[in-house]
Amino acid sequence: QSALTQPPSVSGSPGQSVTISCTGTSSDVGRYNRVSWYQQPPGTAPKLMIYEVSNRPSGVPDRFSGSKSGNTASLTISGLQAEDEADYYCSSYTGSSTFVMFGGGTKLTVL
Amino acid sequence: QVHLVQSGAEVKKPGASVKVSCKTSGYTFTTYGVHWVRQAPGHGLEWMGWISANSGDTEYAQKLQGRVTMTTDTSTSTAYMELRSLNPDDTALYYCARETGWLPDYWGQGTLVTVSS
Repeated sequence: QSALTQPPSVSGSPGQSVTISCTGTSSDVGRYNRVSWYQQPPGTAPKLMIYEVSNRPSGVPDRFSGSKSGNTASLTISGLQAEDEADYYCSSYTGSSTFVMFGGGTKLTVL
Repeated sequence: QVHLVQSGAEVKKPGASVKVSCKTSGYTFTTYGVHWVRQAPGHGLEWMGWISANSGDTEYAQKLQGRVTMTTDTSTSTAYMELRSLNPDDTALYYCARETGWLPDYWGQGTLVTVSS
């Protein structure tokens, strides 16, 4: 199984909104509402930002939101701030022996 | 507060084995599973496997089958990941992460494993 597909990079100016897509198949993203998003600033461990497609853990700003349509999940960051600059990864449960797949990662640049 | 604290950096020669520990605190260890994920320098996240801290059941990534073993010690709330027959392509940051709803939530700080002759 290949990794989930994410755009390599996105960018936006402070205050703008950006959306990062994560495309899988009907066997993973399309089948289960078990999609998470992680933020990873340089030199740090990943941090959970969204779980079960659209839920935010306590402490994550409501500027971060998640959704899913068919085989594609999306992370939207509104009101971009400089501190949002990081790599973002999606992950999905697969229900197979592979169990968990990650996207290739998207580098967000705040201009 | 949930914490996962991993063991320190390791340097290994090709063909050797490495065992990374992940000591957890702040939650009931046997209620959650543990994922292991690695990240080669400049690359993305790669899922390695999962272990149930309750039953000890495991699932491993196909490419690592036969080289990786994940275990837990419930008396110390610690998870372990052993990788054998190391080669330079195994050079990476190795992370443990608590599992909730099948996916990782809280992550350890990472352990750098360098494989070099």
